[in-house]
Amino acid sequence: EIVLTQSPATLSLSPGDTATLSCRASQSVSTYLAWYQQRPGQAPRLLISNTSNRATGVPARFSGTGSGTDFTLTISGLQPEDFAVYYCQQRYAWPPITFGPGTRLEI
Amino acid sequence: EVQLLQSGGGLVQPGGSLRLSCVASGLPFSDYAMGWVRQAPGKGLEWISGLSGSGVDKHYTDSVKGRFAVSRDKSTNMLFLEMNSLRAEDTAVYFCAKSPYWNDPSDFDLWGQGVLVTVSS
Repeated sequence: EIVLTQSPATLSLSPGDTATLSCRASQSVSTYLAWYQQRPGQAPRLLISNTSNRATGVPARFSGTGSGTDFTLTISGLQPEDFAVYYCQQRYAWPPITFGPGTRLEI
Repeated sequence: EVQLLQSGGGLVQPGGSLRLSCVASGLPFSDYAMGWVRQAPGKGLEWISGLSGSGVDKHYTDSVKGRFAVSRDKSTNMLFLEMNSLRAEDTAVYFCAKSPYWNDPSDFDLWGQGVLVTVSS
């Protein structure tokens, strides 16, 4: 099973800042890495698939990079609605599909 | 409107059974793989099951293998999760989710609202 670790666990920033979230895989996942946003009490929302492809309707301030074992989600110019929990997920070797433990982005 | 609407959660005793349902509307249901993801209270996301667009290929995480069964009914655009021999550690919000792919139940681009399953005596 591929284990994903995310850092930091919590990131405290202000509106307008740039957030950099990291996801590291226990072995290569090529570029088969996705990112989700989850606000309190809501279902997750797909932000990015295959490392860097923004999902429909996702603002351009969200961007993803990386390959192999190290990946980054960057959120430029944080908006109030961006403060949430972010999860990475791999589909390179499955089952199981695995998620990281999440990064909480807080004000 | 494109959406997934879930039903079937609730309180069940340890060792009991429950069936979750998920109906898809506004999309060609049979073109996509589907999956189930759960979230224990205050915890992260856990993928537990996936089903190919054909409904033939079924996959499970080890902790539910032999206890849970996923299925789909294309005639009614419904996805099901039959849960048996439930344990306290199965307590979670369960989400159904749609994949953009035919075979890989991942990268979920549409989610149900989630239903709470509580396993307790």
